Amino acid sequence: DQQVKQNSPSLSVQEGRISILNCDYTNSMFDYFLWYKKYPAEGPTFLISISSIKDKNEDGRFTVFLNKSAKHLSLHIVPSQPGDSAVYFCAASEATSGSRLTFGEGTQLTVNP
Amino acid sequence: EPEVTQTPSHQVTQMGQEVILRCVPISNHLYFYWYRQILGQKVEFLVSFYNNEISEKSEIFDDQFSVERPDGSNFTLKIRSTKLEDSAMYFCASRAADTGELFFGEGSRLTVL
Repeated sequence: DQQVKQNSPSLSVQEGRISILNCDYTNSMFDYFLWYKKYPAEGPTFLISISSIKDKNEDGRFTVFLNKSAKHLSLHIVPSQPGDSAVYFCAASEATSGSRLTFGEGTQLTVNP
Repeated sequence: EPEVTQTPSHQVTQMGQEVILRCVPISNHLYFYWYRQILGQKVEFLVSFYNNEISEKSEIFDDQFSVERPDGSNFTLKIRSTKLEDSAMYFCASRAADTGELFFGEGSRLTVL
């Protein structure tokens, strides 16, 4: 099941710089997208979401961009902080199945001081 | 801040034994979920539950699995006869009626020997 794919298993950035995490999907029925952050031995924590009627949603340092034609979304974190170091999961759902989420593999973000 | 709580945090069991994982969802949430993550793999959907019945289940959720909401606060996942491949982190999640965001618990690690 490769409906949601995060091609970069890891990303390393310097503190203060921008982190860009990418996610691609194949199911054109997906219309709601979320980003979760996960620390070791903890559950995923909701970060930000976007519905398919928008192409951008911003919340503080976090912005999610959605390109429906390319079936691509990205999460921008600026400025990045060492506390942002975690695994970031992209997830998607279809309106018809409620909020059953399909997750990507995750990207390990490391923000270096 | 309200949170989803899960018990036990870690359970070790022998193959063939029954296991019950417990969850207390956020109190005003109406939709409940179980997901699991096998080590090194994606977070996978197991089952969703609404209005005292299963609303959707994945192909993973076979006859060995069951869910129950025995009272107004608990939501349980039972595995009748555990297999080695059931070893995973099991996450409970809940959602309010008017949002698409799932809130996850910290997970229960199941180790089947």
